[in-house]
Amino acid sequence: SQELEQSPQSLIVQEGKNLTINCTSSKTLYGLYWYKQKYGEGLIFLMMLQKGGEEKSHEKITAKLDEKKQQSSLHITASQPSHAGIYLCGAPNTGTASKLTFGTGTRLQVTL
Amino acid sequence: DTGVSQNPRHKITKRGQNVTFRCDPISEHNRLYWYRQTLGQGPEFLTYFQNEAQLEKSRLLSDRFSAERPKGSFSTLEIQRTEQGDSAMYLCASSLGWDGRNYGYTFGSGTRLTVV
Repeated sequence: SQELEQSPQSLIVQEGKNLTINCTSSKTLYGLYWYKQKYGEGLIFLMMLQKGGEEKSHEKITAKLDEKKQQSSLHITASQPSHAGIYLCGAPNTGTASKLTFGTGTRLQVTL
Repeated sequence: DTGVSQNPRHKITKRGQNVTFRCDPISEHNRLYWYRQTLGQGPEFLTYFQNEAQLEKSRLLSDRFSAERPKGSFSTLEIQRTEQGDSAMYLCASSLGWDGRNYGYTFGSGTRLTVV
């Protein structure tokens, strides 16, 4: 079965600093979803990447998909306290994209 | 459309009791998924419906768990004879899927179950 490994597991950054979170798959990626979760709440959709080399940005968050490396990265520029939370990557198991397999998440804290 | 709605948000139950959760997906979405998330872990897939048909069930879904999606609209997840190990966040997601693709994979706010 597919496994997604996220690194780092947790991260503390000072407000204004940049950071990168990585998500590496044990199998071929047929796309990659990034979500954010506040503690005890549901998942908020950030971005979906479908093709190798694809890069998407939303506000100060940029995500890239490297199909050859079976990896995606999420980059936050000039972090703010509102970026704090748990970032989760999820990948569909097959090309038909039914269920998602998730990584264990990266917990981000942003200090003032 | 208000997104994916889950009720209740929180449920505390005594061990051995039955509980039922409800999920109302985004109206035009034909696919509905249930996931379970324990503390410090990512969500784990439980089951998936396309319209009213339950197409896949995880081995995590023991015989105490049952899910339905009558008429292809809302879905319910029932847990019978709850155990302390069932304590978790239960998440519902919906999407619009066709031609081997999924669009708008949206999650609800979840139902947090505590079994005491």
